[in-house]
Amino acid sequence: TQLLEQSPQFLSIQEGENLTVYCNSSSVFSSLQWYRQEPGEGPVLLVTVVTGGEVKKLKRLTFQFGDARKDSSLHITAAQPGDTGLYLCAGEVLANDYKLSFGAGTTVTVRA
Amino acid sequence: EAQVTQNPRYLITVTGKKLTVTCSQNMNHEYMSWYRQDPGLGLRQIYYSMNVEVTDKGDVPEGYKVSRKEKRNFPLILESPSPNQTSLYFCASTRDSSYNEQFFGPGTRLTVL
Repeated sequence: TQLLEQSPQFLSIQEGENLTVYCNSSSVFSSLQWYRQEPGEGPVLLVTVVTGGEVKKLKRLTFQFGDARKDSSLHITAAQPGDTGLYLCAGEVLANDYKLSFGAGTTVTVRA
Repeated sequence: EAQVTQNPRYLITVTGKKLTVTCSQNMNHEYMSWYRQDPGLGLRQIYYSMNVEVTDKGDVPEGYKVSRKEKRNFPLILESPSPNQTSLYFCASTRDSSYNEQFFGPGTRLTVL
């Protein structure tokens, strides 16, 4: 059983459409991160959220951390083919514990 | 350039033949980890190290060994590989504990026949 459940598992949309990826858990996290991974490469950090209710924006990407710090979402506005990739959420359950728990990932494909 | 390097990038081997995957980082990070990535399961931590000579088990340590004799290197050892260890392996390093950002290597795709 995954500590973090991501949904959907796969998402295919047309360029210009919006999309949302969800990351849910029954555990409370001290921090939660989102990574993007492209084929043949390692994951690259996009953002870290640490405060319940926090919203961070990175150009067309909006990240939200749930008030109870048990869930998070990633919203992409006007998706572009360059947004294609595997999106992973990762949560740190206890502060100062260097073990991150990762979700299984959401594969996003943006068609031109 | 700040980076985490892994070698080899691809490896095909046979059951029982000992192998080592090397990992090195040039960012002076204290914390390093090994993960395996399998379809539908995401990244699962194998081992991690908080400092030189300090290592600890992650979520799936069975069949693996690690060592941390120097700060920059964190090799992953499979003493007797089995087919269920066929996977994509990532090494990662972390600067500090504040937000635990992981810097990942490019990955090693291992196939055990």
